[in-house]
Amino acid sequence: GDSVTQMEGPVTLSEEAFLTINCTYTATGYPSLFWYVQYPGEGLQLLLKATKADDKGSNKGFEATYRKETTSFHLEKGSVQVSDSAVYFCALFTSGTYKYIFGTGTRLKVLA
Amino acid sequence: EAGVAQSPRYKIIEKRQSVAFWCNPISGHATLYWYQQILGQGPKLLIQFQNNGVVDDSQLPKDRFSAERLKGVDSTLKIQPAKLEDSAVYLCASSTSRGQETQYFGPGTRLLVL
Repeated sequence: GDSVTQMEGPVTLSEEAFLTINCTYTATGYPSLFWYVQYPGEGLQLLLKATKADDKGSNKGFEATYRKETTSFHLEKGSVQVSDSAVYFCALFTSGTYKYIFGTGTRLKVLA
Repeated sequence: EAGVAQSPRYKIIEKRQSVAFWCNPISGHATLYWYQQILGQGPKLLIQFQNNGVVDDSQLPKDRFSAERLKGVDSTLKIQPAKLEDSAVYLCASSTSRGQETQYFGPGTRLLVL
């Protein structure tokens, strides 16, 4: 079945460091790919998405590129801030099942 | 635009007790989802409604979990009787339609079963 694998956390970085959170997926169809962010005590918020191969999603300085050849959707940010501390979830959505499949989440902690 | 509302935010119960969660989706959203998020895991879909009908409840433990969306607007999720392993955050989400990829999540209800 469809699945999403994320790098395990926690990831601890200093402010202004470069961030990469790896995400790979397995899907039988042609899924759309997402990154969601969950701040403490809040629900999930859509961070960015890409709907087809080679698309790049971007938002708030974060970006991720849909790589079909490597089945990956790695999240990157050039310079993290303390306010980016949260849990980040990679997910896929397939139109055949109309379901989200989420990864296990990666906790990011940014130190001042 | 008001977001997805959920209540209560926190609930502590003893095993074998019953509990209910409430969700009010974004106005006009036809599709409503309930997810279970166990600590350290990603959200797992429990049930999906399209208006007031169930379109997917394949991962709902039907011996103890039930959900309804009687008027196609708000929804309740019930657990009876609760088990220790039901301790989790229960997230409600909604979208304009079933094929719409973007879902909007509520803040969740954190359940602790003792």
